Amino acid sequence: DAKTTQPPSMDCAEGRAANLPCNHSTISGNEYVYWYRQIHSQGPQYIIHGLKNNETNEMASLIITEDRKSSTLILPHATLRDTAVYYCIVRVAPNIFSSGSARQLTFGSGTQLTVLP
Amino acid sequence: GAGVSQTPSNKVTEKGKYVELRCDPISGHTALYWYRQSLGQGPEFLIYFQGTGAADDSGLPNDRFFAVRPEGSVSTLKIQRTERGDSAVYLCASSPRAGDSNEQFFGPGTRLTVL
Repeated sequence: DAKTTQPPSMDCAEGRAANLPCNHSTISGNEYVYWYRQIHSQGPQYIIHGLKNNETNEMASLIITEDRKSSTLILPHATLRDTAVYYCIVRVAPNIFSSGSARQLTFGSGTQLTVLP
Repeated sequence: GAGVSQTPSNKVTEKGKYVELRCDPISGHTALYWYRQSLGQGPEFLIYFQGTGAADDSGLPNDRFFAVRPEGSVSTLKIQRTERGDSAVYLCASSPRAGDSNEQFFGPGTRLTVL
């Protein structure tokens, strides 16, 4: 069973905020929400992760609802270079005692974001 | 600094042949992962190394697939008796520490085509 649900595609105008939703209604208390993106012909790239508080870094902001059943990745000023597939992943944060299965990333199909000029 | 590199970038082979795909992780990264990505799908986990040992190979689809990391740095994914269904992009990723790395750094992948 998929742990996350994302829309298959979205468009965004260049310079506007891109808001990418993700549903994870079965998330467990110790699971984090991770976001990666994959630009065409490249490997995936880590963006951000969070547990329950909103997070912000130089790339994006992550807003997690209070019940943690959904989240939104926000790219505040989308550029053409942000066109990519965005993956929302739910995962227990690894620690030194984690098994291999806890360390792997389980990708879904993601959201194809197209930033339009 | 240098990222994860993978060679070759493209590999075309015939059904039944043997192939090796190489991954050079970021220097000093102890954890290394292999994933496979079919067209239109997200990457799927194959195997995870911690140092020289395969800590989790549960994602390898069958015994035709094998991976090694003899010195804890470079890794090679080996596929015997290739089949057309093995055609995919094979991605390698590394992480800096054994335990609590949240971020995996991915290489550009090797596109394998089995004719």
